[in-house]
Order: sequence, then C-alpha cells, then structure tokens
Amino acid sequence: DAGVTQSPTHLIKTRGQQVTLRCSPISGHKSVSWYQQVLGQGPQFIFQYYEKEERGRGNFPDRFSARQFPNYSSELNVNALLLGDSALYLCASSFYGGVTEAFFGQGTRLTVV
Amino acid sequence: AQTVTQSQPEMSVQEAETVTLSCTYDTSENNYYLFWYKQPPSRQMILVIRQEAYKQQNATENRFSVNFQKAAKSFSLKISDSQLGDTAMYFCAFMKGTSGSRLTFGEGTQLTVNP
Repeated sequence: DAGVTQSPTHLIKTRGQQVTLRCSPISGHKSVSWYQQVLGQGPQFIFQYYEKEERGRGNFPDRFSARQFPNYSSELNVNALLLGDSALYLCASSFYGGVTEAFFGQGTRLTVV
Repeated sequence: AQTVTQSQPEMSVQEAETVTLSCTYDTSENNYYLFWYKQPPSRQMILVIRQEAYKQQNATENRFSVNFQKAAKSFSLKISDSQLGDTAMYFCAFMKGTSGSRLTFGEGTQLTVNP
C-alpha cells in the first residue's frame, strides 16, 4: 500500500507569490491534516479536514487555506508568500473517530526568496 | 488547549547504551493519546510508540518503552541498546481522543548515537 504522498518535494517561490501543495492520504483514511515545520522546531498544526469539511484550524493567518476533495486528497494554498513561510510542510492522514496514529508524508520543502 | 514540553534540546548516547528522553504535557482532557515520533534527516516522520491515556500499562515496542505517569502528566521515552540508526530528532506528541490526525507536538530532542 502506498503511504501518504506529497507533491512537490521541493519548491522555491518569490515573496508575494502564491503556492499550492498537494497531499494524497493512505487509502481508506478520510482525515487529512497539514503542519508547518520551521527548521529546528516541532510541527505546528495548520488545518484538519474530514469528509471534505474543515474540522480544525491552527493559529495561522487567512493567507493559508485548504480544501479536501471527494477522493480525500487535499491541497494547501498559501497566498502572498512571506519569507517567514519558508518551512517544511507536512501532511498527515488517519482514520477519524476511534484511533489512532497519524501517518505522515515526506513533506514539501518550501523556500521563499 | 494542550501544550507539550520537551526540555532536552539535545542528547547523546553511546552505542548499545540506554537513554531516556523526557516529555511533559498539559491538558484538561480525559481521553487522549500520546506518541513519540522520530524524524531522521530524511524528514519522514515515523511513529515510534503510542500510549492510550486510559491504559495504565506502559507501552513497549522492542527496544523502545515509555514511562507514562498520568497524574504527573509525564511521558518519557526509553531507548535500550541504542543503535546508530536511532540518531534522529524525536518529537513527543498529544492527540485528543477522537481528533484523527490533529496533533500537538513538542519542540523536539535531537538524539545522537555515537559509535
């Protein structure tokens, strides 16, 4: 079985641009969450989606948005990029309700210049 | 809101020895789960071990075990017979009972296993 897949693996953007990151969950998982991991820190929760609805949002500005598609894949969009948005963006999938652990993709390394 | 604290930014251990990583958390929830994740330089976040809060017995996975002290809100990870491949960043994480993939992470502990 394929794990959580994220694309692209790396990208470089210029300040002010917009970026879209993509995530495909493990087959059967309906919950997808996004995290931002700044170098040297722990991941910070951005969004959680379940059954195409937003179920939680972390302390991030409105420049960050996301959506989940009928096949449970997800996109994270960031508008008006700032240098501080440079980070590793992780996607995690899991079942929802019941347990258990979240499975992570390898992340997308975003560099804003 | 939940918080997770890892007070050891870096630790090192000799190969084959035992090391313990510390984690404390704060929550008002009764139904929750705790995890230790490992993140090697490859960036892949890998689950090491998990503990259900309602279970009194400490979780064990091969060389990895936890000391879960619910009243003290403490959740430490013990790695026995350390191997070079254990070198990685270790994160303690909290999940509210049925919240799926929504986790609160600590700041991490960089563990280096020396030959």
